[in-house]
Amino acid sequence: NAGVMQNPRHLVRRRGQEARLRCSPMKGHSHVYWYRQLPEEGLKFMVYLQKENIIDESGMPKERFSAEFPKEGPSILRIQQVVRGDSAAYFCASSPRDSGTDYEQYFGPGTRLTVT
Amino acid sequence: LAKTTQPISMDSYEGQEVNITCSHNNIATNDYITWYQQFPSQGPRFIIQGYKTKVTNEVASLFIPADRKSSTLSLPRVSLSDTAVYYCLVGPSNTGKLIFGQGTTLQVKP
Repeated sequence: NAGVMQNPRHLVRRRGQEARLRCSPMKGHSHVYWYRQLPEEGLKFMVYLQKENIIDESGMPKERFSAEFPKEGPSILRIQQVVRGDSAAYFCASSPRDSGTDYEQYFGPGTRLTVT
Repeated sequence: LAKTTQPISMDSYEGQEVNITCSHNNIATNDYITWYQQFPSQGPRFIIQGYKTKVTNEVASLFIPADRKSSTLSLPRVSLSDTAVYYCLVGPSNTGKLIFGQGTTLQVKP
């Protein structure tokens, strides 16, 4: 059973460009979470999605950031008009939500975004 | 969500038992205690979760006193590969949102 897949692993964008980060959850998992880890900081929750629904986006910046988890295909975290402060590691996690507790989330290897 | 406090860093030697304590004075009745491990340049990995008393798995043990205001993650006989950041998380099981604190950086020396 493959783990959570994220691509690309490394992404370099110039200021003003768009960044698209992809996440394929573990097989059978219908819940996806995105977290951001700024340099020398802890992980911060961004958004929680189920198929075709955003459940909690309380950690998402109000502008330029969006996320989706379509019925088919991976979850996408999109950052428009990137700025240097967006440089960070972005982690995706998934869970099956069938055990009654979703504190056990499975994380991908992350995408390291560098904005030049 | 309950705030957690844990040491910023700890040092140990190979073969020793390591105990990392986390304080969570405001833990709520429906909160679970969960520990994650993160190696450099990797995503966090779930280690163990508990509600009260003691939980043990193949990786670690988790001790939770009766008042649940603290918890201790115990790693038996650590090796160099256990060098990582360990996060204590406290919260209800049904929000879908993990709140990470600063974590404890464990350095295992030969």
